[in-house]
Amino acid sequence: GQQLNQSPQSMFIQEGEDVSMNCTSSSIFNTWLWYKQDPGEGPVLLIALYKAGELTSNGRLTAQFGITRKDSFLNISASIPSDVGIYFCAGHQNTGNQFYFGTGTSLTVIP
Amino acid sequence: NAGVTQTPKFQVLKTGQSMTLQCAQDMNHEYMSWYRQDPGMGLRLIHYSVGAGITDQGEVPNGYNVSRSTTEDFPLRLLSAAPSQTSVYFCASSVDRVGEETQYFGPGTRLLVL
Repeated sequence: GQQLNQSPQSMFIQEGEDVSMNCTSSSIFNTWLWYKQDPGEGPVLLIALYKAGELTSNGRLTAQFGITRKDSFLNISASIPSDVGIYFCAGHQNTGNQFYFGTGTSLTVIP
Repeated sequence: NAGVTQTPKFQVLKTGQSMTLQCAQDMNHEYMSWYRQDPGMGLRLIHYSVGAGITDQGEVPNGYNVSRSTTEDFPLRLLSAAPSQTSVYFCASSVDRVGEETQYFGPGTRLLVL
């Protein structure tokens, strides 16, 4: 299947710091999604992106759809302890029915 | 509006036993799918369905069966459980309209096969 390369694999940051993570692919996607997964829970959709170059915010979260259609970025500003979790990217191509997922970025926020 | 629901939340099976993981959605989505999540492996697609009566295999379908008799329900059957099927299973349903694709996940079923 399609591989989405997500980095970094894990992050340990101080509360209040900004966070940046990204997802890259060798293939073009028409949709990029970002999810957060808390321990013992299912992934929760944070942001959906549908146009190349699109920049979308959801509170302290901002995500961008890369202009090449092969990447996407998620930024979290002024991190707080409840930001702890695993963040996943997902891509969708109009030519198929499947969503493809990155392997996740584990975020730890140190109070 | 409950979204995507899954039962049971936890299950322990012995090798060789069979069971069905239930999934239901109330959003009238045509597209539903099953994933398994293992440490370091991310989410891997087992089976998916683009509508009632239509199912297809994903990346890791062996040992699993699905059916889609209604839009709302998409059960996953383990035919003869093996320890390699110990995992967390997520059901998801999706909006499949071009330019609006999103996918919503259930809370998961944690399965241990002894």
